Amino acid sequence: GAVVSQHPSWVICKSGTSVKIECRSLDFQATTMFWYRQFPKQSLMLMATSNEGSKATYEQGVEKDKFLINHASLTLSTLTVTSAHPEDSSFYICSARVGADRAFFGQGTRLTVV
Amino acid sequence: KNEVEQSPQNLTAQEGEFITINCSYSVGISALHWLQQHPGGGIVSLFMLSSGKKKHGRLIATINIQEKHSSLHITASHPRDSAVYICAVPSGGSNYKLTFGKGTLLTVNP
Repeated sequence: GAVVSQHPSWVICKSGTSVKIECRSLDFQATTMFWYRQFPKQSLMLMATSNEGSKATYEQGVEKDKFLINHASLTLSTLTVTSAHPEDSSFYICSARVGADRAFFGQGTRLTVV
Repeated sequence: KNEVEQSPQNLTAQEGEFITINCSYSVGISALHWLQQHPGGGIVSLFMLSSGKKKHGRLIATINIQEKHSSLHITASHPRDSAVYICAVPSGGSNYKLTFGKGTLLTVNP
């Protein structure tokens, strides 16, 4: 079946540095991917919609300059957390639509900013 | 914005028991997702359904569009079913741009 591969699965970085998270569709083309964030004991929250070849659409309250999304090809979307701070520590996960009735998720990335 | 409520929040069962998790939402939708999140965080999409019932192995999902309610059933539950089960509904006009419930933590004891 369709696979969405997300990398890395976990990362620890220092405050002020940037972290890039990759989301790849391994056996299908994804024109649209979604990026979500989940804080501990909270629901997943949509951050942005990543569209191949065009600018991402960000949800209200999500800083586009802080969370850079690039969807340069039909199989790869990246989320870069710039100038990370401890409050950015969270679980980030991407998803892509597959066919007419399924959404496939990446494995998620647990980011810890120290 | 669609409000999604799941119940129960936590559920503990003995192996073999029949499990039911409920999901209600506030705004009419075209489809609803059921997801499974394992302790490590990874998410698996179980179902997307727009009417009636779907079955996959021991999992059954039903939806009543008029009542804005869906249920996820697990028959003959097993410890490996232990996970967080999340329902999600579309927002912003796309079936794949989702608003999530808070999830139901299921623990199945041997």
